[in-house]
Amino acid sequence: GAGVSQSPSNKVTEKGKDVELRCDPISGHTALYWYRQSLGQGLEFLIYFQGNSAPDKSGLPSDRFSAERTGGSVSTLTIQRTQQEDSAVYLCASSLDGRETQYFGPGTRLLVL
Amino acid sequence: AQKITQTQPGMFVQEKEAVTLDCTYDTSDPSYGLFWYKQPSSGEMIFLIYQGSYDQQNATEGRYSLNFQKARKSANLVISASQLGDSAMYFCAMREGRGYSTLTFGKGTMLLVSP
Repeated sequence: GAGVSQSPSNKVTEKGKDVELRCDPISGHTALYWYRQSLGQGLEFLIYFQGNSAPDKSGLPSDRFSAERTGGSVSTLTIQRTQQEDSAVYLCASSLDGRETQYFGPGTRLLVL
Repeated sequence: AQKITQTQPGMFVQEKEAVTLDCTYDTSDPSYGLFWYKQPSSGEMIFLIYQGSYDQQNATEGRYSLNFQKARKSANLVISASQLGDSAMYFCAMREGRGYSTLTFGKGTMLLVSP
């Protein structure tokens, strides 16, 4: 079956612009996660969805970051007024539920100029 | 204190040899899970192996095994018969508690396998 997919693979944007990153989880997975990985660093948790609700948004770094999930499936991470420090790889993962193994997508590489 | 510590920034191993990647963890929760992921240069995080805190046996998956020493709070990954394709970053991660918990990742170990 298909794994987690993310789009776009790469995104270059200018400082101050808004960007949207998309994640398609594995079919049937109710839990979805967003992480951020800066150059040479480990993964930083951003937000967790169970179904369409987000019980844990504790990792979102500022109010410029928001995410939604619709139909218990696709999720979109939006970064408004991008800053250069937002440059990173944004990884999405999904799992059967909030306790099972997380499977990751290939990531979106965001570069803010 | 860091919850997951990977003390080896980089490791070198020759093809066909075994290698151990270290991971120590810190938690006071009796229920937790430990994961290893591989991240090749392509960037995707690939799940390798899982060990639950109550599991009696060390986890194994093909050439991967997890040397789980609960009293020492260590969960080292052992890769047997290394292959060139094993060259990648390896991350240790932990989930705490019985309910939902995010994964906390270590900073990773870069493994290079030479011919």
